[in-house]
Amino acid sequence: QVQLQESGPGLVKPSQTLSLTCTVSGGSISSGSYYWSWIRQPAGKGLEWIGRIYTSGSTNYNPSLKSRVTISVDTSKNQFSLKLSSVTAADTAVYYCARAPGAWYYVDYWGQGTLVTVSS
Amino acid sequence: AIRMTQSPSSLSASTGDRVTITCRASQGISSYLAWYQQKPGKAPKLLIYAASTLQSGVPSRFSGSGSGTDFTLTISCLQSEDFATYYCQQYYSYLLTFGGGTKVEIK
Repeated sequence: QVQLQESGPGLVKPSQTLSLTCTVSGGSISSGSYYWSWIRQPAGKGLEWIGRIYTSGSTNYNPSLKSRVTISVDTSKNQFSLKLSSVTAADTAVYYCARAPGAWYYVDYWGQGTLVTVSS
Repeated sequence: AIRMTQSPSSLSASTGDRVTITCRASQGISSYLAWYQQKPGKAPKLLIYAASTLQSGVPSRFSGSGSGTDFTLTISCLQSEDFATYYCQQYYSYLLTFGGGTKVEIK
């Protein structure tokens, strides 16, 4: 059974870059036609899709965040990563990494989520 | 972006009740619709995909229906473990979007 685990700093200063990594276990990140996503959820609010990456390295981003987001993959470590630049308090949220079985598919596996707070 | 609108935003119900949640898409999405359950402090859990297909391991009291722009999630006989927040999500577009959520609370 595949498992996803987010890791990274829980506190980031305003204007800096948020960096998170998702480690995939129980299967190869390169196998199949999976798309690997980042999704976030501010406290008490709904879910916002940030972007996704395919193992070829091709990416899609939410237009609302596109100018600040970079998602990358390291197949040798079975990991993919998120960088969000120029953060503000509005970027404070629980960040989830997730898997979809294909390009036009639902999310079938989620990480447990990690809280990132933007504060000085 | 495709806008997903859920109603109601919250509801109170008792164990054993039948509960229906609706989700409307701002444009037709065929059957590219999933439902998730989220409990406090936990990640969402996939319940239904393709509008009506039950994910493996999900109890049969959960069911989904609809296509195009209008969808429903029904819990036929509410159990104590079903008190949670439910989200719909479209995957017709690569830009995944979610409904605002429906919190199911104990009456």
